[in-house]
Amino acid sequence: DSGVTQTPKHLITATGQRVTLRCSPRSGDLSVYWYQQSLDQGLQFLIQYYNGEERAKGNILERFSAQQFPDLHSELNLSSLELGDSALYFCASSVDAAGDYEQYFGPGTRLTVT
Amino acid sequence: GDSVTQMEGPVTLSEEAFLTINCTYTATGYPSLFWYVQYPGEGLQLLLKATKADDKGSNKGFEATYRKETTSFHLEKGSVQVSDSAVYFCALSDEQTGANNLFFGTGTRLTVIP
Repeated sequence: DSGVTQTPKHLITATGQRVTLRCSPRSGDLSVYWYQQSLDQGLQFLIQYYNGEERAKGNILERFSAQQFPDLHSELNLSSLELGDSALYFCASSVDAAGDYEQYFGPGTRLTVT
Repeated sequence: GDSVTQMEGPVTLSEEAFLTINCTYTATGYPSLFWYVQYPGEGLQLLLKATKADDKGSNKGFEATYRKETTSFHLEKGSVQVSDSAVYFCALSDEQTGANNLFFGTGTRLTVIP
């Protein structure tokens, strides 16, 4: 158990819909990362937050947005969903935003868009 | 930009065989290098890491050496077990980018048969 929790575990929704994925980091970790794992794109970085502020952005679509709240939990919002958004979404957390601090990964949310 | 190229899988080995999974990288700065492992149905776990040239990371019998001259970080294990069956990801983080998000290779699925 990494200490990172993600809800829900599975999500099935239709094209055009909007969903919210939630992540609670390990106690004491200030930085949260979102990654997408899909069959065609592999595992890719979406976005990073540190202590409530956006820190880095990767290959995140404009239809996707995220935020980190004062209690440090984070939410990833996916809207106007397409079939290609079906993937496993991982959240990770680390103590700091830079350096080689280990990132601890949650179990993931499997999103299926039908 | 930063990228990781990883040996294509899948790899099937008999128990007690020697394992090598190749990984090479491209980075603008001086990255930290990681191997993560993903067991079926689980999130990623850090297996080992190396933060500078010639460092050797090791854990659970796995080893990898940071080779700057060949930009490589190959994963090795002398004698694999059935319990090592998983997907292995090579990754880097590059502080030159100002953040420490991870760039992943495509992953190599290892199956160890008794």
